[in-house]
Amino acid sequence: AQSVSQHNHHVILSEAASLELGCNYSYGGTVNLFWYVQYPGQHLQLLLKYFSGDPLVKGIKGFEAEFIKSKFSFNLRKPSVQWSDTAEYFCAVNAPDSSASKIIFGSGTRLSIRP
Amino acid sequence: DSGVTQTPKHLITATGQRVTLRCSPRSGDLSVYWYQQSLDQGLQFLIQYYNGEERAKGNILERFSAQQFPDLHSELNLSSLELGDSALYFCASSVENSYNEQFFGPGTRLTVL
Repeated sequence: AQSVSQHNHHVILSEAASLELGCNYSYGGTVNLFWYVQYPGQHLQLLLKYFSGDPLVKGIKGFEAEFIKSKFSFNLRKPSVQWSDTAEYFCAVNAPDSSASKIIFGSGTRLSIRP
Repeated sequence: DSGVTQTPKHLITATGQRVTLRCSPRSGDLSVYWYQQSLDQGLQFLIQYYNGEERAKGNILERFSAQQFPDLHSELNLSSLELGDSALYFCASSVENSYNEQFFGPGTRLTVL
């Protein structure tokens, strides 16, 4: 069965600091990977996704993520965060070849940026 | 604004009751997904419909059911409500039968007293 782990529950950074949020999944087959963001009081929005091809994926708002198959990881990065990046970030995995195709979300990482 | 609408925004009810949450997908989207977000369980996928048919099932309780109508709007029915059902219920929609790019609605906050 698929599972997703986000080990950082709450990350606090100052503006202009670099960000890396961890995401590990467990599934041996083909996976589709996603990062979603939920700004305070708003709905979830897709930041970026990986289906195949270049393992370094660029998303919106300067975010990127790298799929490392050998480590079952899909960490989210941003070189310089802004106060407006304060939000909750969710990693998600889907196994498209699985007979019970469903999407699994991680528990989320709350990011707080100090101005 | 994602184009996905959900009603009502808030719902307060008592244990044992039954409620219906409604979702209207973006124009042209055939897939509708339902999620439950709670403090203890996180964000959980409940069920997906594509063009009126159930396509995938997640951690949906037997007390919960959903359907998608010919006009593609969807309803999530929650019955015999328990305190633990209090949560934010999100609906999302996408064009295809995949999780490729889902657009989420604003959610319905359900409080069971």
